[in-house]
Amino acid sequence: DAKTTQPPSMDCAEGRAANLPCNHSTISGNEYVYWYRQIHSQGPQYIIHGLKNNETNEMASLIITEDRKSSTLILPHATLRDTAVYYCIVSATGANSKLTFGKGITLSVRP
Amino acid sequence: GAVVSQHPSRVICKSGTSVKIECRSLDFQATTMFWYRQFPKQSLMLMATSNEGSKATYEQGVEKDKFLINHASLTLSTLTVTSAHPEDSSFYICSASKGQGVRNIQYFGAGTRLSVL
Repeated sequence: DAKTTQPPSMDCAEGRAANLPCNHSTISGNEYVYWYRQIHSQGPQYIIHGLKNNETNEMASLIITEDRKSSTLILPHATLRDTAVYYCIVSATGANSKLTFGKGITLSVRP
Repeated sequence: GAVVSQHPSRVICKSGTSVKIECRSLDFQATTMFWYRQFPKQSLMLMATSNEGSKATYEQGVEKDKFLINHASLTLSTLTVTSAHPEDSSFYICSASKGQGVRNIQYFGAGTRLSVL
């Protein structure tokens, strides 16, 4: 079973920031928080991951609370192409580490 | 990033036939690849972990004799659905692990949609 809980859906206006929450209250000390997204009928796309510090890359920012029990993925300027299912996953890092996908959150970006 | 190629993207076959799906890491070597299955309106479910040069590790409930996995090189893993039946119709997705330690990331292929008639 997935160790994360996410709201089923949310929407935001194009050009605005999209803040996607995730709860992972049972995360272990060696587990990272990964975010992937899946656009309809495609394979998942890696977005970002982190352990405890906030992370930023060209796609998004990841804010992890100090107790590591929750996190927020931020898409700073959402576009219509960001409409997708976003998965928050906790997993140990390493080549053999499995990813357990939950139901994710469906983000709809409206014009 | 990294590129993982999956082929074919779509296949339609008759019941009882076997179908082979290829997963290639194009710009990196992957000692570990994963195979997932996704039914409509559901999330991805891990089927098996494939390690180069060794037998795959299957998740509970996945029949190893039905879903044959071969990982013969550091850039290629194949999944063969043997004696396919309509209930095997699904979206099959592979991923490949790139990077060491904390930098390890799974990159996914575009998926293969299998329809068994």
